[in-house]
Amino acid sequence: AQSVTQPDIHITVSEGASLELRCNYSYGATPYLFWYVQSPGQGLQLLLKYFSGDTLVQGIKGFEAEFKRSQSSFNLRKPSVHWSDAAEYFCAVYSWGKLQFGAGTQVVVTP
Amino acid sequence: EAQVTQNPRYLITVTGKKLTVTCSQNMNHEYMSWYRQDPGLGLRQIYYSMNVEVTDKGDVPEGYKVSRKEKRNFPLILESPSPNQTSLYFCASSEDLTDGYEQYFGPGTRLTVT
Repeated sequence: AQSVTQPDIHITVSEGASLELRCNYSYGATPYLFWYVQSPGQGLQLLLKYFSGDTLVQGIKGFEAEFKRSQSSFNLRKPSVHWSDAAEYFCAVYSWGKLQFGAGTQVVVTP
Repeated sequence: EAQVTQNPRYLITVTGKKLTVTCSQNMNHEYMSWYRQDPGLGLRQIYYSMNVEVTDKGDVPEGYKVSRKEKRNFPLILESPSPNQTSLYFCASSEDLTDGYEQYFGPGTRLTVT
């Protein structure tokens, strides 16, 4: 069965610093992979997705993610975080009609 | 405006009292889905629907029912709610998830069962 692991439950980062959120998946074939962001009290918004082609994917709000098949990873990065990036981030993998989410990483941005 | 709407946004109810959470999308999407979000567990899929009259179980379907009689609507029914169904519920829709199309999420319904 497929699974998605986000090893970091909580990350604190200073404004202007770089951010990397980890995501590991377990899946037999090449998966469809997604990163979503949930701001406080809001629904989920898609940041970016990967399902084929270039393994470095650009998304909205200055985020990017890199698919590494050998490591079964799809880590999310941002070179310089803004206070508005404080939110919860979810990695997800699609297969057979289902979208499986990781448990999420809460990002806190300090001044 | 393209959107997914859910009603109600907040609901407090008692154990055993049947309730329905409505979900509607105006994007003519084929795929619709319900999730519940609990702290430390992320989002877990309850039910999904690939098209009208086609529904299937997700990972946590017990205690829930759905129907898809028309393309735009996908209500979630709790026949006999229990306290362990206290959660934040999201409805989502997508043009075609099999091609990696984006899922659009509703604003969420916070349900408390006492």
